[in-house]
Amino acid sequence: EVQLLESGGGSVQPGGSQRLSCAASGFTFSSYGMSWVRQAPGKGLEWVSTITSSGSSTYYADSVKGRFTISRDNSQNTLYLHMNSLRAEDTAVYYCAKSGPLYFEYWGQGTLVTVSS
Amino acid sequence: EIVMTQSPATLSVSPGERATLSCRASESVTSELAWYQQKPGQAPRLLIYGASTGATGIPARFSGSGSGTEFTLTISSLQSEDFAVYYCQQYNNWPRTFGQGTKVEIK
Repeated sequence: EVQLLESGGGSVQPGGSQRLSCAASGFTFSSYGMSWVRQAPGKGLEWVSTITSSGSSTYYADSVKGRFTISRDNSQNTLYLHMNSLRAEDTAVYYCAKSGPLYFEYWGQGTLVTVSS
Repeated sequence: EIVMTQSPATLSVSPGERATLSCRASESVTSELAWYQQKPGQAPRLLIYGASTGATGIPARFSGSGSGTEFTLTISSLQSEDFAVYYCQQYNNWPRTFGQGTKVEIK
């Protein structure tokens, strides 16, 4: 059974940093692209970033480019999202997803990041 | 960026009835389109990919059709557990983009 468990969410001040983690199990992590998708409170889904299976290629939404960095540790079956220069509009539930890097096949339960002073 | 537009925003349907949801892309995405279901407080769940292929474990009452710029998700006979928000998403181009969602509510 595929399991994705996000952690690292919480409250952070504007301009601050946060690192999200996603622990994966139930599949061969190193064979699949992985993504982060977020959802602001009461809003729709927004793709944030994708990384290929080897980590050699990464893709970002314009809204986070230059501020967020996606990475992975295939030896630890873990996906990361390093978030810098956080803004109020980054407040959202962040979902980790097993992707392809095409569609989002399996999703974690999400972790809430709140950016507020 | 490819803009995905879903209609209607809200669909009121009685249990047992058929529901038809639409998704339009601002330019062709060929068949590289997925549909997701999201219930309150839960993560989204993949329903359909490749515009018409059901994901693992998805009931047969969910079906997808279309290609290019016009797509449809049909729920043949709504069950109580199907009342949720549905999103379409294109994966033909970067950035990946979602529609704004269609809420299917009980009539």
